Amino acid sequence: RKEVEQDPGPFNVPEGATVAFNCTYSNSASQSFFWYRHDCRKEPKLLMSVYSSGNEDGRFTAQLNRASQYISLLIRDSKLSDSATYLCVVNIRDDYKLSFGAGTTVTVRA
Amino acid sequence: SAVISQKPSRDICQRGTSLTIQCQVDSQVTMMFWYRQQPGQSLTLIATANQGSEATYESGFVIDKFPISRPNLTFSTLTVSNMSPEDSSIYLCSVVLLAGSYNEQFFGPGTRLTVL
Repeated sequence: RKEVEQDPGPFNVPEGATVAFNCTYSNSASQSFFWYRHDCRKEPKLLMSVYSSGNEDGRFTAQLNRASQYISLLIRDSKLSDSATYLCVVNIRDDYKLSFGAGTTVTVRA
Repeated sequence: SAVISQKPSRDICQRGTSLTIQCQVDSQVTMMFWYRQQPGQSLTLIATANQGSEATYESGFVIDKFPISRPNLTFSTLTVSNMSPEDSSIYLCSVVLLAGSYNEQFFGPGTRLTVL
């Protein structure tokens, strides 16, 4: 079983729509959780860390459910510029070695 | 933030040859890692590049195949040895910047390798 699994999508949504997707992780001892954004032919960049209480950054909301071992990302009022692949990332041992999901592709259309 | 450059940005190589990828960071960093992303797959950690000592390899990766150098805190190289088409991947280096309780991992732009 993969350490981090994501629905690959693609999620095709119109501008202004809300899109949400989840990721599950297999190791219950996982320490830290992140969402990275990965644009084609560019390096992955940190979008936001995910905290136990859930956190929001503008139009982006991340949730962590430790009991069910999943993380979610919700994008409100989607913009064309939100089109990207979103990587679910887990730090299992708190040693900065990251485990990546394969990514969820989101395409926002005009 | 950290600015990371990689050379080459891409290469096409014949099987059986070796390629060395360079990673340069604009500041001194303690932790540096090498990842690869095979087509359609997630990023996978190859090894931790340790300054002044041998790299620490993850399961499934060995030093003979992926020798790593880390001569100082701003530079590292990854060599892909005796390449086969299965080594066709994007190879990325990453660094961790620590600031108190906050840390963030930054990635280089990647080296896109195609092995014929």
